[in-house]
Amino acid sequence: GQQVMQIPQYQHVQEGEDFTTYCNSSTTLSNIQWYKQRPGGHPVFLIQLVKSGEVKKQKRLTFQFGEAKKNSSLHITATQTTDVGTYFCAGLDNFNKFYFGSGTKLNVKP
Amino acid sequence: SAVISQKPSRDICQRGTSLTIQCQVDSQVTMMFWYRQQPGQSLTLIATANQGSEATYESGFVIDKFPISRPNLTFSTLTVSNMSPEDSSIYLCSVAGLLAEAFFGQGTRLTVV
Repeated sequence: GQQVMQIPQYQHVQEGEDFTTYCNSSTTLSNIQWYKQRPGGHPVFLIQLVKSGEVKKQKRLTFQFGEAKKNSSLHITATQTTDVGTYFCAGLDNFNKFYFGSGTKLNVKP
Repeated sequence: SAVISQKPSRDICQRGTSLTIQCQVDSQVTMMFWYRQQPGQSLTLIATANQGSEATYESGFVIDKFPISRPNLTFSTLTVSNMSPEDSSIYLCSVAGLLAEAFFGQGTRLTVV
């Protein structure tokens, strides 16, 4: 069945350092979405990527969708303590079913 | 975006009992989704709640254990039946937005003792 894997599982960075999480799907996705879940909170939608090779930016966050639409990445430049949380990718298949990635937990040390 | 109210926010329950979680949306939606998130883990879809028909369950989840109601287009309940400590988890309801993005309720943190 469909699998969406994320690496790394955990990342500890010093404030100001960059951070990247990678998402890989076993099959081609119609689109990919990214979510952020703060500790004790619920996942919150960040962005959606639809086109092959698409790159989108939100301030310090850069999102990329692979050419084959099977992988994606989220890069945060110059992390801040407010970036702490778990980042999930979610692939949408052709039946509009979500497959959430395993998540990357980011800790930022001040 | 949809505003989703979920309750209770947390509960501690005795094993063998059942808990019903309620989810109210501020707009009419065709499908509502129920997820489980075990501590430190990702989200696993339990079922899709369709108004006017039976819920559609994912592999590993059955109606007897997780009965779902969907009486109208703004409300759904999920019951966790005959609970055991393994059911301790966060349960989240969700609806899809215009981009098919997921909006989540605040979640119900369930502890079974």
